[in-house]
This record gives sequence, structure tokens and C-alpha cells, in this order.
Amino acid sequence: ETGVTQTPRHLVMGMTNKKSLKCEQHLGHNAMYWYKQSAKKPLELMFVYSLEERVENNSVPSRFSPECPNSSHLFLHLHTLQPEDSALYLCASSQDRWAGGGAGELFFGEGSRLTVL
Amino acid sequence: GQNIDQPTEMTATEGAIVQINCTYQTSGFNGLFWYQQHAGEAPTFLSYNVLDGLEEKGRFSSFLSRSKGYSYLLLKELQMKDSASYLCAVRGDRGSTLGRLYFGRGTQLTVWP
Repeated sequence: ETGVTQTPRHLVMGMTNKKSLKCEQHLGHNAMYWYKQSAKKPLELMFVYSLEERVENNSVPSRFSPECPNSSHLFLHLHTLQPEDSALYLCASSQDRWAGGGAGELFFGEGSRLTVL
Repeated sequence: GQNIDQPTEMTATEGAIVQINCTYQTSGFNGLFWYQQHAGEAPTFLSYNVLDGLEEKGRFSSFLSRSKGYSYLLLKELQMKDSASYLCAVRGDRGSTLGRLYFGRGTQLTVWP
């Protein structure tokens, strides 16, 4: 139990569907992240939110739309995805985005395994 | 660009010692992290190095040489439960990389009985 909860754990969707991934953190952190994890590839940062403001969008296609209604919740809205978007989507949080002198490590959720047919 | 390199796979036997290497070439540096990820689970934080030298934490130790762009994770007294993917990540320290983690592809460690 890392204090970061993601739902659903598994999702299968067609290319015309609209779905959302949800992330909730119970750690009182100020920064939240979406990462994409594909087989044989490094974790790819998608979005960063700090104090509910999006501070980074890492050239992610517009078919992925993040939302951060408060510092504890993060969503990733999905629409008209492609089969190559099939991957594990990981949510993470940290105390602050700029870790300063400390470790400021990330706390990850267990991920949402997405399959696009 | 940021380049983090680590071996894809390693195997070892229970009770042994294994060293997982990570080399990096990045435009800035503000710390190196190791994470452990069991299949189907969340990556979990193992260690953090920002100064040269060895950091020990129980059976796990992590070493950093900033001048060589090199780190290793040392696992002693291996147990079956140590079978997992080990992720090396470097944090940027300037401009658009500030605070951002750059991950390697992960090293899949298999521990045999």
C-alpha cells in the first residue's frame, strides 16, 4: 500500500470509446504525475500537476486529457485512442515538484493496464 | 538529451550478492534514484544518492560516482522475493529538466533457489 490508489486496474476499450482513469493520493502531497509504462521502454512522463495547476505537458497527444480537481485527485480522460496507446498508466505523487535538498521521492500507484482494440 | 543505461536482465541464486549497474549521461544532475517494481505492482522507492559514495540500507546499498556518471545497486543475501525489475532514475537540475525524473528501461532480476 503506497497511499496512491488507481482505478480501474484493467481497462479494455475500442478506438471510439471514451473512458477515464482515476488516481487518488492519501499522502497530503502537492504534486501529482501521470506516467506511461510500455514494454521494454523507460517510464515516460506525461503530465505534472503542482498544487492543482498543470505545470508540464510532455508533448502528449490531445486524445489524452488530464484533470486535477484538487490536490488529492487526478484523472486521465481518454478518447479516440490508438492500439499503440495500450500500456500501463501509472499515477504518482510527491511532496513537492521541486524536491530541493531532499529525496522527494515519487509514490506510485499500481497502475491501470489499458488495452486498446 | 538524457540517457540512462542499465542491463536488461540479470539472474542470481538465493543467498548470493548481485550488483546492478546504471550509467547516465544527462544535461544536469540533482540526484539518482533506485526503484523496485514487482510484476503487476507499483514501483517503490529504494534509495537516493546525491553525493558520491555508498548509501547502505539493510540488505540494499547504492553507490554513486558523479564524475563517472555511474551508480550501482548492490543486493546482498538475495531472497526469492527480490525477483523484480529495478529502475534507475536521474533527476534534472535546470530549466525544463528541473525536478524531472529520467528513467532507465529497468533491469529484470530473477533469483533462483
